[in-house]
Amino acid sequence: DVKVTQSSRYLVKRTGEKVFLECVQDMDHENMFWYRQDPGLGLRLIYFSYDVKMKEKGDIPEGYSVSREKKERFSLILESASTNQTSMYLCASSLPGIEVNTEAFFGQGTRLTVV
Amino acid sequence: KNQVEQSPQSLIILEGKNCTLQCNYTVSPFSNLRWYKQDTGRGPVSLTIMTFSENTKSNGRYTATLDADTKQSSLHITASQLSDSASYICVVSAKKYSGAGSYQLTFGKGTKLSVIP
Repeated sequence: DVKVTQSSRYLVKRTGEKVFLECVQDMDHENMFWYRQDPGLGLRLIYFSYDVKMKEKGDIPEGYSVSREKKERFSLILESASTNQTSMYLCASSLPGIEVNTEAFFGQGTRLTVV
Repeated sequence: KNQVEQSPQSLIILEGKNCTLQCNYTVSPFSNLRWYKQDTGRGPVSLTIMTFSENTKSNGRYTATLDADTKQSSLHITASQLSDSASYICVVSAKKYSGAGSYQLTFGKGTKLSVIP
C-alpha cells in the first residue's frame, strides 16, 4: 500500500516561530510537492522537488523554504511563522513527469494554526 | 494563464440520487485530467485520470467524461451514498516548456458534495 506520511495532523505555533513540516514517502518517487489549501482558493503549489537537493518554486513560495536531503523526505520550513500562514498543508509525491497513469499521491494533511 | 473552474461550488443531494459535477479548463498544452475525492480533514485521493483521447472513464459508481474540444469534463455519481460526501477536485496537467519538472498541475477549487439521508 503506497504511503505519503506527514509528521503531524494538527499543529499550533506562535507568531515568529520557526516551523518544520515533514513529509515522508515510501514509493521511491522522484517528485515531491508541498501545497497549501485554503477555503475558496483550492490547492496552491508552494514548492516542489524533482530530485534530491533539487527544488523549484511554485506559485506562492514567499515565506517558505524547503529541504530535500534524502529522496524519501521533503521538509517545508516556515522561517518565521505568521498568522496568514494558518492553513492546511498537503504533501504529495509522484514518479517523474506526472504523465498518463502516473499517480500523484497525497498525505493526510497538516492543519497548521499560527497564533 | 492556466485555469480550472468547477461548478457548482456546493451541492446537497438525497441519498440514492445521481448527480453531476462540472469542470471547465483553459490549460494548454493539455496532458491529462484527473478527478480527486477529498474527505474532510484528509488528503485528496484519485478517482480517475483521463488523457486527450479518452471520452469516458468509470471507477465504480463514478463516471468521468472529457470533451477535449470544448475543454469540459464532468464527474457523474450514480446512486449516491452518505460516504460520497466530500469535496471533488478537478486537476488538469499541462506540459511545461521551461523549468525543471516537465509537467504542471492546475487545481480547481472543488465542489463540496453533501449527501443527506
